[in-house]
Amino acid sequence: AQSVTQLGSHVSVSEGALVLLRCNYSSSVPPYLFWYVQYPNQGLQLLLKYTTGATLVKGINGFEAEFKKSETSFHLTKPSAHMSDAAEYFCAVSDYDKIIFGKGTRLHILP
Amino acid sequence: DTGVSQDPRHKITKRGQNVTFRCDPISEHNRLYWYRQTLGQGPEFLTYFQNEAQLEKSRLLSDRFSAERPKGSFSTLEIQRTEQGDSAMYLCASSRGQAPNYGYTFGSGTRLTVV
Repeated sequence: AQSVTQLGSHVSVSEGALVLLRCNYSSSVPPYLFWYVQYPNQGLQLLLKYTTGATLVKGINGFEAEFKKSETSFHLTKPSAHMSDAAEYFCAVSDYDKIIFGKGTRLHILP
Repeated sequence: DTGVSQDPRHKITKRGQNVTFRCDPISEHNRLYWYRQTLGQGPEFLTYFQNEAQLEKSRLLSDRFSAERPKGSFSTLEIQRTEQGDSAMYLCASSRGQAPNYGYTFGSGTRLTVV
């Protein structure tokens, strides 16, 4: 079965610093991979997705992720953190006609 | 595009009562998904519909849970004889086609508290 593992349930970075959220996947077929963000008391919003082609994917709000097949990874990065980036982030993988989510990483931004 | 709507936003119920949630997807989306999210966890898949057909149900969906999408538009999720372990956020999402190709649009969820 397809699955994702997010390393670190909580990550803290200073405002202006690099954001790196780690995700490793397991899939028996070429995966489609996603990152979603969830703000408090809201649903999830798609940040970016990888389907095929270019392995560096750019998303909204300055985030990007790189698909590395050899490492089975799809880490999310942002060069400079902003206070508004504080939220929970979910990595996800396709499983036929549905999407399977990781447990999430809560990102804290320190002033 | 008015987004995915879920009603109610919050529901408090006594153990043993039945509850029903509603989801209105984006009108042109033919797929509708239900997930459950507990504190500190990611969304867990419950079930999904393509139009009015329920195509897959998770083993998480016990006999006390039932979902319908009678006319291929809105969907309802009913929980009978609620238990404290049912307390969670119930999320609905819709997609215009196969989810891996298009991704989901999520609603804001219904938070259920069973007391």
